[in-house]
Amino acid sequence: EPEVTQTPSHQVTQMGQEVILRCVPISNHLYFYWYRQILGQKVEFLVSFYNNEISEKSEIFDDQFSVERPDGSNFTLKIRSTKLEDSAMYFCASSSSYGYTFGSGTRLTVV
Amino acid sequence: SQQGEEDPQALSIQEGENATMNCSYKTSINNLQWYRQNSGRGLVHLILIRSNEREKHSGRLRVTLDTSKKSSSLLITASRAADTASYFCATEGGPLKTGGTSYGKLTFGQGTILTVHP
Repeated sequence: EPEVTQTPSHQVTQMGQEVILRCVPISNHLYFYWYRQILGQKVEFLVSFYNNEISEKSEIFDDQFSVERPDGSNFTLKIRSTKLEDSAMYFCASSSSYGYTFGSGTRLTVV
Repeated sequence: SQQGEEDPQALSIQEGENATMNCSYKTSINNLQWYRQNSGRGLVHLILIRSNEREKHSGRLRVTLDTSKKSSSLLITASRAADTASYFCATEGGPLKTGGTSYGKLTFGQGTILTVHP
């Protein structure tokens, strides 16, 4: 069964550093998403991406965040200057008319 | 309450029993989805029910949707210890595109923690 692949599975970074989280969506999906889940809290929408541009973003997705599809397969989330409160599990997802598929997540810890 | 609120917050049952989890939401939706998450792991899509559907089955899962009450329920029959996980409902709204899927954002609830004792 096709999967959404996320790397790395864990990332520890110092406050103020830039991080890039990587995702390989399912190949024939056209819509891509990033969500995050702070420990013990609900999963929150960050951004959706279609046709090489952002189609929707949440209030959380401020200027510190950016997304990119640098080639035909990867989909990345960049956090320019990480804060302690950015510590969370970040999920990538892609969707088709049959529904969503989520990756297994990247656990980001900002110290 | 917020969009996608599950009830109960925690449920503890014995293996073989049925588990029922409820979800309520506030705004109109295109579809409602249920996900499972094992502790600290990824989200596994269980089932999607469109706004024009009332009931759907998948194996031991049964989902109902009542759009007039803005609520859904997930029933897991003959539960197993391996069903122990958090279960989330997620609603999808936004402009309808094709087949009841808008490709819009999902709004998740807080989840129900299910513990099935062997």
